[in-house]
Amino acid sequence: GQQLNQSPQSMFIQEGEDVSMNCTSSSIFNTWLWYKQDPGEGPVLLIALYKAGELTSNGRLTAQFGITRKDSFLNISASIPSDVGIYFCAGPINTGTASKLTFGTGTRLQVTL
Amino acid sequence: DTGVSQDPRHKITKRGQNVTFRCDPISEHNRLYWYRQTLGQGPEFLTYFQNEAQLEKSRLLSNRFSAERPKGSFSTLEIQRTEQGDSAMYLCASSFYGQPQHFGDGTRLSIL
Repeated sequence: GQQLNQSPQSMFIQEGEDVSMNCTSSSIFNTWLWYKQDPGEGPVLLIALYKAGELTSNGRLTAQFGITRKDSFLNISASIPSDVGIYFCAGPINTGTASKLTFGTGTRLQVTL
Repeated sequence: DTGVSQDPRHKITKRGQNVTFRCDPISEHNRLYWYRQTLGQGPEFLTYFQNEAQLEKSRLLSNRFSAERPKGSFSTLEIQRTEQGDSAMYLCASSFYGQPQHFGDGTRLSIL
């Protein structure tokens, strides 16, 4: 089952506001991935984090790999309507050479004008 | 980069019928994954191929499910004797060794 908990579950914000969401795990992960999913489409990779403490940006998005390796944060600055969607964190569970992903429960973001 | 392609995008079928989905990964990717996603949940891992070898299967993958990747390129996922509980989005992802997975837009299966 799911091992990653995301909060908040959903959020309504106004256009132009900054957004913060996080993802926590009871297990240590060596990689954190953040994906965005629009309705009827597959998840799209936003940011990949590979090192504890790492801070990585992709345009208006910034993500951090927590020092404990059990959490990660995603921030969106100056939100715009196209930021609407569901944001998932994911981490690989390494079993042998496999790197299947386990996903969080998602944060649904809605942006109002 | 044409991305991961899945076909069909939508499938509606009656309970008890067999269905087959196809996934074409990004061409240079040697790893291919299948996930299932139900409403309000994140994707859940089903199975994984490295080249043509199926290396891992989830307990979610009952014996009614079978996946193949015969030439190490495209993959098919077949569900036999479909049940109501099989209704979900079936997502395919691919990656090159050690790189993040990239997903297709999925096949949405509806069982009547």
